[in-house]
Amino acid sequence: AQTVTQSQPEMSVQEAETVTLSCTYDTSENNYYLFWYKQPPSRQMILVIRQEAYKQQNATENRFSVNFQKAAKSFSLKISDSQLGDTAMYFCAFMKSRGFGNEKLTFGTGTRLTIIP
Amino acid sequence: DAGITQSPRHKVTETGTPVTLRCHQTENHRYMYWYRQDPGHGLRLIHYSYGVKDTDKGEVSDGYSVSRSKTEDFLLTLESATSSQTSVYFCAISEGGKPQETQYFGPGTRLLVL
Repeated sequence: AQTVTQSQPEMSVQEAETVTLSCTYDTSENNYYLFWYKQPPSRQMILVIRQEAYKQQNATENRFSVNFQKAAKSFSLKISDSQLGDTAMYFCAFMKSRGFGNEKLTFGTGTRLTIIP
Repeated sequence: DAGITQSPRHKVTETGTPVTLRCHQTENHRYMYWYRQDPGHGLRLIHYSYGVKDTDKGEVSDGYSVSRSKTEDFLLTLESATSSQTSVYFCAISEGGKPQETQYFGPGTRLLVL
């Protein structure tokens, strides 16, 4: 079974600074996907970024980027130039890539990020 | 916005009563999922569907049943609600017609079982 670990329950950072959220995972699969989802106070789950394990290049989406270390099974999220709207719970998630129809997301327990004005 | 709505958005019910939550999508996605979110657990899969009348269990399916009679609707039923089923319930769809595609979530339903 896959497990996802987020070791930082809470973090805070000053507005405009850079912050990195950690995520490690355990799997015996070789092909898989990794995701970061954001959950603001509205409780909506919003996709931040997605990484395909067979791609060596780290995914980026505007101010959000990841550091994907496959051998170390590490998938951290970097937020640059942090903004007040980045205040949210962030979840790391894993999905196998077999195409059988029973793919599910395995989530970590989340990191609560607060951006301080 | 993946065109997903959930109803009701909030519900308070009593132990032992049946409850049905509805997920509705407008974009004809084949794969749909029900998750629950609890503190300290992230989100966990309850049931999923890979087509009309095709459903299967997730990791926390005990006490829940699902039905999908139309592509656009995926219903989650708590046959006899218990306090342990107090949670936030999220519906998701898998975009692109493939199960390994990115999942997008509905707005969630907060359920309180007294």
